Order: sequence, then C-alpha cells, then structure tokens
Amino acid sequence: AQKVTQAQTEISVVEKEDVTLDCVYETRDTTYYLFWYKQPPSGELVFLIRRNSFDEQNEISGRYSWNFQKSTSSFNFTITASQVVDSAVYFCALSDNNNDMRFGAGTRLTVKP
Amino acid sequence: AAGVIQSPRHLIKEKRETATLKCYPIPRHDTVYWYQQGPGQDPQFLISFYEKMQSDKGSIPDRFSAQQFSDYHSELNMSSLELGDSALYFCASSLDRDHEQYFGPGTRLTVT
Repeated sequence: AQKVTQAQTEISVVEKEDVTLDCVYETRDTTYYLFWYKQPPSGELVFLIRRNSFDEQNEISGRYSWNFQKSTSSFNFTITASQVVDSAVYFCALSDNNNDMRFGAGTRLTVKP
Repeated sequence: AAGVIQSPRHLIKEKRETATLKCYPIPRHDTVYWYQQGPGQDPQFLISFYEKMQSDKGSIPDRFSAQQFSDYHSELNMSSLELGDSALYFCASSLDRDHEQYFGPGTRLTVT
C-alpha cells in the first residue's frame, strides 16, 4: 500500500530563515512519482515539482530545493530565505502510475515578518 | 498561460439534492482527475479519465458519477447529497497520463 507521511503538522519561522519540510513515503512499486504542491490560503493547489523514482538528483529552483533519497524513502523540501508569501500548506504526494496521487496530511508553514 | 477552469467556484445545496461540477482542462490536455478535499484534510483521489475513458477509480462514492466529453471537459455528478459531501472539489489535468497534474482553483461545495 502507498503511504505518505508528513510528520510536521505546523511550522512557524521568521522571515529569511531557512525551513525544511519533511516527507517520507512507502510504496512497493519500483516505479513511482513524487510531488510537492503548495496550497496558499486562497485554496488552489500549485504544482511545485514532480520527480520519478529513477531520478535521484537533487533539484534547485530559485529559493526552493528538493532532496530525494531512496535509501531513506524521503523527499524533503527546503525553502531558503523564507518570505511571508511562502506561508501556505504544503503537500507531498506519491503516485505509482501518475494517476492516483496519494497525498500526505500536509504541513502548514507560517512565515512571520 | 491557460489554466484548468472549474465551475461553479462555490455551490450551496441542501441534503438529498444533486449537484454537477464542471471541469475544463488546459488545452491539449487529454487526462482529467477529480479530487475531494474535506476541511483540514488532504485531497483524496476520486476518479480519472484518459481520452474520454475512465482510467482509474479511487474513493468515489456510488452516489457520484463522472464522465469526460468529446471536448475533454469533465463533469462530476453528485446525487443524494449528504452533509459530509461538503468539501473542496478539485479537478486536475495533465498532458497525458505520463505528465504532471495541474489543478484547477476548486469548487467549494457546501451541503446544508
């Protein structure tokens, strides 16, 4: 069975701090996809990244970076120099076929000025 | 760039009524997914369509049905509504089943 665990329910940081959101997954499949989505207070789900199980390269996009480690089944997300606009709920998700995405419970990030 | 369009954005219905939610995917996207997000919950996959055929099925109640039309838009039909159906309903689309899903703004359904 697939499972995504985001152990951090809520995180609060002060602007310009770095923050890492943890994601641990379980799957029996050898081919799978991992995702991160951002859900700001307005409610929409914003796609951030998709990574397939064969690509363990870490990725950096501006202030965002992702660390994929198959050995520990983790796909952590780091925001450097956080800003107030980063405040949102962040979901990690897993799919074995890019169809049925299983989401984690989400981490609510609050960035204070 | 064009995004996924969902209508209506807000809907209020009474118990036992029916509701129809519509989703218009990003142009050239042939795959549509429906998710339900209850208050304070993570999104739950309901159903997906690829090239107008049902592709995958998740935790969709029997009271709900969906289809994808020839223009690739999709409709989620919900009957005998219950209070527990109050949620944010997201539609997502992807270029095909091998590409990432882009979500619409959601339809907030309130059942009273």
